Amino acid sequence: KAGVTQTPRYLIKTRGQQVTLSCSPISGHRSVSWYQQTPGQGLQFLFEYFSETQRNKGNFPGRFSGRQFSNSRSEMNVSTLELGDSALYLCASSLLLGGVNEQFFGPGTRLTVL
Amino acid sequence: KNEVEQSPQNLTAQEGEFITINCSYSVGISALHWLQQHPGGGIVSLFMLSSGKKKHGRLIATINIQEKHSSLHITASHPRDSAVYICAVGANTGNQFYFGTGTSLTVIP
Repeated sequence: KAGVTQTPRYLIKTRGQQVTLSCSPISGHRSVSWYQQTPGQGLQFLFEYFSETQRNKGNFPGRFSGRQFSNSRSEMNVSTLELGDSALYLCASSLLLGGVNEQFFGPGTRLTVL
Repeated sequence: KNEVEQSPQNLTAQEGEFITINCSYSVGISALHWLQQHPGGGIVSLFMLSSGKKKHGRLIATINIQEKHSSLHITASHPRDSAVYICAVGANTGNQFYFGTGTSLTVIP
């Protein structure tokens, strides 16, 4: 069974630009969660999607948004990029919604904002 | 105040030593997860537990719900165990995940 895939793996953008990251969950998994990891803040929860609906959201500004498609693939968008958005963005999939389910992580997208 | 506190932040051990990493949390949880992250970023879920104890090979995870505390033990540590170990909790309200800051483990041959 293929694991969680994320594209692209590396990305360089400049301040003010926007970026879209993609995550394909494990086949059969319906929940996709997104996380940001920075050296200063560690791992932080961005949001979780289940059945094409955002179910949970962390404390991030509205510049961070996402969506989920009918095949459970998810995209995350960051608009008006800031230097502080440079981070490793990880997605994880699980069978069902919420914290009681084992999370399977993708390899991450490393975003650098110049 | 962080919802999840881990200790120690850094740990260096000799090969073969018994290792313990601790995690305390302040929120009500539906489950606690132990994650392993290797250089390069890839994260692997080691354990998910909501009570008692789980064992997988040389790894053992325990949780005490009343004390809001979990431990990850590594028996007979090996250099390939060198990684960052992260404790995460799934809150039982709002379903958010909260993460500890991680414990960086180095096992010296």
